[in-house]
Amino acid sequence: GENVEQHPSTLSVQEGDSAVIKCTYSDSASNYFPWYKQELGKGPQLIIDIRSNVGEKKDQRIAVTLNKTAKHFSLHITETQPEDSAVYFCAASNFGNEKLTFGTGTRLTIIP
Amino acid sequence: NAGVTQTPKFQVLKTGQSMTLQCAQDMNHNSMYWYRQDPGMGLRLIYYSASEGTTDKGEVPNGYNVSRLNKREFSLRLESAAPSQTSVYFCASTTASYQPQHFGDGTRLSIL
Repeated sequence: GENVEQHPSTLSVQEGDSAVIKCTYSDSASNYFPWYKQELGKGPQLIIDIRSNVGEKKDQRIAVTLNKTAKHFSLHITETQPEDSAVYFCAASNFGNEKLTFGTGTRLTIIP
Repeated sequence: NAGVTQTPKFQVLKTGQSMTLQCAQDMNHNSMYWYRQDPGMGLRLIYYSASEGTTDKGEVPNGYNVSRLNKREFSLRLESAAPSQTSVYFCASTTASYQPQHFGDGTRLSIL
């Protein structure tokens, strides 16, 4: 089955700086890669996703990049703000199989 | 529009007791999922239901049973609770592949 590794497990950045979280996956058939943000006491919420036919996707301060050859994908957050502090999860799945395999999470702390 | 509603939010059980966790969604989604979240381990799939009337095992199904009562509701049952089942349980739903999974806010379950 699919295995998703996520790094780092914790990340602290100064407000206004950029944050990068990286994930690798094992199943070359995976073709859908969402990122979720989880705030304290809440369920995860999708913030951005990418399909394997696209190398990069942006949504305001958030971007995701995908390298299919190396089987890794990354979340980039620019101009970080205090409200970006949360736990972030990457995940992977392949079309026709709606099961997601999640990474172990990154706790991002924005230092004012 | 409530999204995904989980009940109860908190529960403490004694070893050997049984319990059913309830989940309901009002988005007319076909697929529903049960995950458990443990520190450092991300979200692991327990069971899922791709459509009304069908259920299938995920990564960690042992000790659990599920029922897809109708399109809206998907319950998770612990027949004989064990301390290893202490966790936060999340229910999620989605309409199809490549679509976001929407999560409830979780049930925090402690087994003594």
